[in-house]
Order: sequence, then structure tokens, then C-alpha cells
Amino acid sequence: EAGVAQSPRYKIIEKRQSVAFWCNPISGHATLYWYQQILGQGPKLLIQFQNNGVVDDSQLPKDRFSAERLKGVDSTLKIQPAKLEDSAVYLCASSLFNSENEKLFFGSGTQLSVL
Amino acid sequence: QKEVEQNSGPLSVPEGAIASLNCTYSDRGSQSFFWYRQYSGKSPELIMSIYSNGDKEDGRFTAQLNKASQYVSLLIRDSQPSDSATYLCAVSGGFKTIFGAGTRLFVKA
Repeated sequence: EAGVAQSPRYKIIEKRQSVAFWCNPISGHATLYWYQQILGQGPKLLIQFQNNGVVDDSQLPKDRFSAERLKGVDSTLKIQPAKLEDSAVYLCASSLFNSENEKLFFGSGTQLSVL
Repeated sequence: QKEVEQNSGPLSVPEGAIASLNCTYSDRGSQSFFWYRQYSGKSPELIMSIYSNGDKEDGRFTAQLNKASQYVSLLIRDSQPSDSATYLCAVSGGFKTIFGAGTRLFVKA
């Protein structure tokens, strides 16, 4: 079974530039998550999709971050314009259903450096 | 604000010893509890899940849950250098999973 695919693996940009990350979840997984992990901290949920609908985006900085999940499969997370504090690893995860005992499967992440 | 607290460590144990990792959470309505292992530069991977009070054992790993005390722990028996990693406690409630900051574990050969 293929895992969660993410790209790019690394990205370096200057502040005020824009950047986009892509995620393809495990086949058949209905729920997709984007987490931000700053060095030394635990993952922080940015947005959670159930199929192509948003379940939770309460911690997404909507003035600069946007995300979409077209057709309930792939997802794209965009930052525009980027700030220095956006430097982090962006993790995509998926789970089979949207239930409380669901285990999350993570992709390899995208390490973003904003200079 | 729902919170998950962990001692950041580092926790250093000799090879073959028992490593004990602890986690507390603030939301009494939490239903599911997970331990993820994260090697440096890698993404988290699930190693244990527990849903009811008591102990759950899987190989060298034992998860313990006490909902009354809002406390979750992970014991690693016969610790190996390959267990050196950051261990993230995750708590799920209301279809939302919140992670702690993680405890760094070093197992000395």
C-alpha cells in the first residue's frame, strides 16, 4: 500500500514570496490533514478535510494561508505572502474515516525555509 | 484551549533499561490516545493507541491510561539505541487530534 505522498521535500523562499505544497493521501482515506511543525514543537493542525469539505480550519491564518482538496483526493496548501515565522515542516496526514479513534498516517513532509 | 503537556527532555537511559514517558491532557472529554515516534528529520509514525483505562502491551511497548487523572504514559522495555527519537503524545476528542511537544529520548549504548 502506497503511503501519503508530499512534494516538494524542501523549499527555500524569501519573505513575501508565495509557495505551494501538494499532498496525495493514501488511497481510500476520506480525511486529510495539514499540520505545521515548528522545530522543537509538536505538530499543530492547520486544516482538516473530510472528503472535499473543511471540518476544521480554526488555526489556519486565513489572511495568508489557503488550502483546497479538489475531488476529495489530492490537496494543495498555499502560503501567500510568506513570513519568516512560517519556516517549519508542513506535514500532510490522512486517515480512513473522521472518527475519534482514527490513526493518522503522515507523509514525509515539506521543510520550508523563509529567508 | 485544549492542551497536551509532555516533558521535553531529553530523557537519557542506558541500553536495556526501561524508558518511561509521560503525558497529561486538559480535555476530560478526550476519547482516544496515541503515541507517535518521530526520528530526527522524519515524520511521525504511530506506535501505540489506547482507548480505555488500564494498560495495553505491544512487544516492548506498554501504554497506560488513567482518565481520572488525565494521564497517559508509554513504557519502553529493554530500550535500544534505535529507540532514540522524539515521542509525541496525541489526544483525540471531537474529531480533532492535538499533539504534545514531544519528549526526546536518548538510549545510550
